[in-house]
Amino acid sequence: GQQVMQIPQYQHVQEGEDFTTYCNSSTTLSNIQWYKQRPGGHPVFLIQLVKSGEVKKQKRLTFQFGEAKKNSSLHITATQTTDVGTYFCARQNYGGSQGNLIFGKGTKLSVKP
Amino acid sequence: DVKVTQSSRYLVKRTGEKVFLECVQDMDHENMFWYRQDPGLGLRLIYFSYDVKMKEKGDIPEGYSVSREKKERFSLILESASTNQTSMYLCASSSRGRTHRRDTQYFGPGTRLTVL
Repeated sequence: GQQVMQIPQYQHVQEGEDFTTYCNSSTTLSNIQWYKQRPGGHPVFLIQLVKSGEVKKQKRLTFQFGEAKKNSSLHITATQTTDVGTYFCARQNYGGSQGNLIFGKGTKLSVKP
Repeated sequence: DVKVTQSSRYLVKRTGEKVFLECVQDMDHENMFWYRQDPGLGLRLIYFSYDVKMKEKGDIPEGYSVSREKKERFSLILESASTNQTSMYLCASSSRGRTHRRDTQYFGPGTRLTVL
């Protein structure tokens, strides 16, 4: 259906290591959004990808949208303790109306100093 | 900056009580949403509203109702709270405008509800 699958569910890394989370859909996406939720906080919008093969960077974060627009990834280079949190991808709900998003279940990142 | 506020950060209620969770946004957004978040289950949509007095059921509407009498305010109501409604409740809003931020959701800080 319209679900988006995120893997892995959890990732534990040593500070300085890289981290990648993947978001996969069985159907073509018009766009994909990424959010970050810090522990005890609320989801905060990071970025939206729209074009096939699009790559966007935010400092140490690199976001990619697949050529077929069915998958996306978020890569963090040289993780820091400030990267700790849960990262969600979200797609639009085509069957619904007026801007409803479907969120993946998220990847929870922990960083050991 | 968009600001979404929720009436309480923490709330403790007893089984059977009627519970009101209030959400207010200050960016004139058309869309407003209520989610609950539980460990391992991600964000689950309860209800959303795309206009005043309009509402649509999300994935888990049972046991909840909503009210949107004014554009900036969206209320979630638990008619008779039960222990399985203990959760984190998150409100969000988004715009249907013609900008690149269309459909980007802005979340409130959340209300952690405990039903005893």
